[in-house]
Amino acid sequence: DVVLTQSPLSLPVTLGQPAAISCRSSQSLLYTDGNTYLNWFHQRPGQSPRRLIYKVSTRVSGVPDRFSGSGSGTNFTLKISRVEPDDVGIYFCMQGTHLFTFGPGTVVEVK
Amino acid sequence: QVEQSGAEVKKPGSTVRIFCKVSGYTFTDYFIHWIQQAPGKAFEWMGFVDPENNKTLYAENWRDRVTMTADMSTDTAFVEVRSLTAADTAIYYCATGTKWVWGQGTQIIVSS
Repeated sequence: DVVLTQSPLSLPVTLGQPAAISCRSSQSLLYTDGNTYLNWFHQRPGQSPRRLIYKVSTRVSGVPDRFSGSGSGTNFTLKISRVEPDDVGIYFCMQGTHLFTFGPGTVVEVK
Repeated sequence: QVEQSGAEVKKPGSTVRIFCKVSGYTFTDYFIHWIQQAPGKAFEWMGFVDPENNKTLYAENWRDRVTMTADMSTDTAFVEVRSLTAADTAIYYCATGTKWVWGQGTQIIVSS
């Protein structure tokens, strides 16, 4: 099974400052069709997860361009260029190359 | 839109059935995934059902205890989890395939 690890697991942030979360996979997430099925989700307290990024770096429609995804193979990063109050919550990665598995989540909170 | 059934309290050894009703798109266009969020644990993918033909793919951990179905006449998907134990206490989500739009979650508490 593919295991996803995230770091950090807790990320205190300063509003207006950048933030970055790493997601590492135990296997390459490059699929035979040439795509890499790595997604990023955000879950606000008491809400369902919402997808932000798919295929490593493609933003879902309506997601602010403050959010960006990058990476390849087994190493991926989600960046927030300037953290806003609505960005608090849990961020997790999910791979869909080898069935589906989720990272443990990173709790983002304001310092 | 993805709407799930409400919270339930179940006895150990019993079975729970959760529904997931979709609207706003053609039901058969996307698979329906089911995901468990147990307290303090990462999300765990349980499997998916193809609403077009009711074909399923289950995660190995769940294969023996779950059945996923879909009813095209009502645009509703279902998951049934059998032989419940306290370890099954969790929030269960459905999510549409491809676009990964999630329902609001269904809290299941297993307690004697």
